[in-house]
Amino acid sequence: QVQLQESGPGLVKPSETLSLTCTVSGGSVRSYYWNWLRQTPGKGLEWIAYIYYSGSTNYNPSLKSRVTISVDTSKNQFSLNLTSVTAADTAVYYCATSRNSYGSLFLDFWGQGTLVTVSS
Amino acid sequence: DIQMTQSPSSLSASVGDRVTMTCRASQNIRSSLNWYQQKPGKAPKLLIYAVSSLQSGVPSRFSGGGSGTDFTLTISSLQPEDFATYYCQQSYSTPQTFGQGTKVEIK
Repeated sequence: QVQLQESGPGLVKPSETLSLTCTVSGGSVRSYYWNWLRQTPGKGLEWIAYIYYSGSTNYNPSLKSRVTISVDTSKNQFSLNLTSVTAADTAVYYCATSRNSYGSLFLDFWGQGTLVTVSS
Repeated sequence: DIQMTQSPSSLSASVGDRVTMTCRASQNIRSSLNWYQQKPGKAPKLLIYAVSSLQSGVPSRFSGGGSGTDFTLTISSLQPEDFATYYCQQSYSTPQTFGQGTKVEIK
């Protein structure tokens, strides 16, 4: 069974870059899609982006100008960079895998989530 | 963006009750509809994908249905561990979007 673990700073200053890494165990990043999502009490669950192991990416248009997602197959990890953060980017960030079956892309394994607070 | 609207936003039910919640998409999303369960402080857990396919390990009391724009999640006999918040998600078009959730509480 695939397991995912997010890591990165829990506190980021406004205007700086939020960087998170997701380490995958029990499976290889050389398959499936690898996602970042976030959750806030106000906006709920928000999908940020995914990357396929080949490097192809798909971004939420509302965040696309500030987001970069990448995969490191040698370390079995994938990463998120979100630039120019503001308090509105304060959220619990999740990494998750997704697969496609019967015409639906679904998120079948999730990390435990990591709270990132944007504050000076 | 496709808007996903869940109803009700919360419901109270007793153990053993049959519970049904709905999810409406702002446009036709074909079969690209998934359901998740989330408990406080935990990540969402996949229950149903592609409208009605049960994820491995999920009890058969959970079932999904619907088509096009209107979808349902039914719990046939509510168990104590089912008290949680349930979210629908569409993956038909970018960005993938979620409903605001239905919270199932103990009556």
